[in-house]
Amino acid sequence: AQSVTQLDSQVPVFEEAPVELRCNYSSSVSVYLFWYVQYPNQGLQLLLKYLSGSTLVESINGFEAEFNKSQTSFHLRKPSVHISDTAEYFCAAVDTGRRALTFGSGTRLQVQP
Amino acid sequence: GAGVSQTPSNKVTEKGKYVELRCDPISGHTALYWYRQSLGQGPEFLIYFQGTGAADDSGLPNDRFFAVRPEGSVSTLKIQRTERGDSAVYLCASSLGGQPGNTIYFGEGSWLTVV
Repeated sequence: AQSVTQLDSQVPVFEEAPVELRCNYSSSVSVYLFWYVQYPNQGLQLLLKYLSGSTLVESINGFEAEFNKSQTSFHLRKPSVHISDTAEYFCAAVDTGRRALTFGSGTRLQVQP
Repeated sequence: GAGVSQTPSNKVTEKGKYVELRCDPISGHTALYWYRQSLGQGPEFLIYFQGTGAADDSGLPNDRFFAVRPEGSVSTLKIQRTERGDSAVYLCASSLGGQPGNTIYFGEGSWLTVV
């Protein structure tokens, strides 16, 4: 992937509210798409990924992302956030023929009580 | 070990000095990656190993940076003649195989500060 753009550097939201973190990518070839999460003082962890098949993918903790090829987007959503979701979220893409992930600059999700 | 282990966790060095950062991947993982993350940015790819060989080193910024993985397990990232612009978190990651869809597991990083 040539680039991955996360337009929102910070997203403040109240607990139990819905949230959407936006991600757009550019690539001249097919890509695989990922969302990683980094909790405070921890390493990056894979949240979910799209490789093929259903364009809607889900994580075990209630997040989902939808691959939209026409809009070159892979936005992350959760219908109701918890305080514990406070973290930095990174969108990433890799061309199907390569191994090097291209990351966006990250979105800091701040869940307030 | 249980996860990807990186040492040192923090390193402060003077401009011009040589630095080595070590990565111990998850046992059995054949693919190993190095990334660099500057403040306020996402991780940036440096190099990818499949086994002992560097399969893709296109992300290394210049010839001051070099990485090895002599036995296909532990890897060392070496930085010569460090500059202040090298200050960043250096992340190591590993995956079971080299397929792009394989889950990549990241270490907590080595924070390098060049003064």
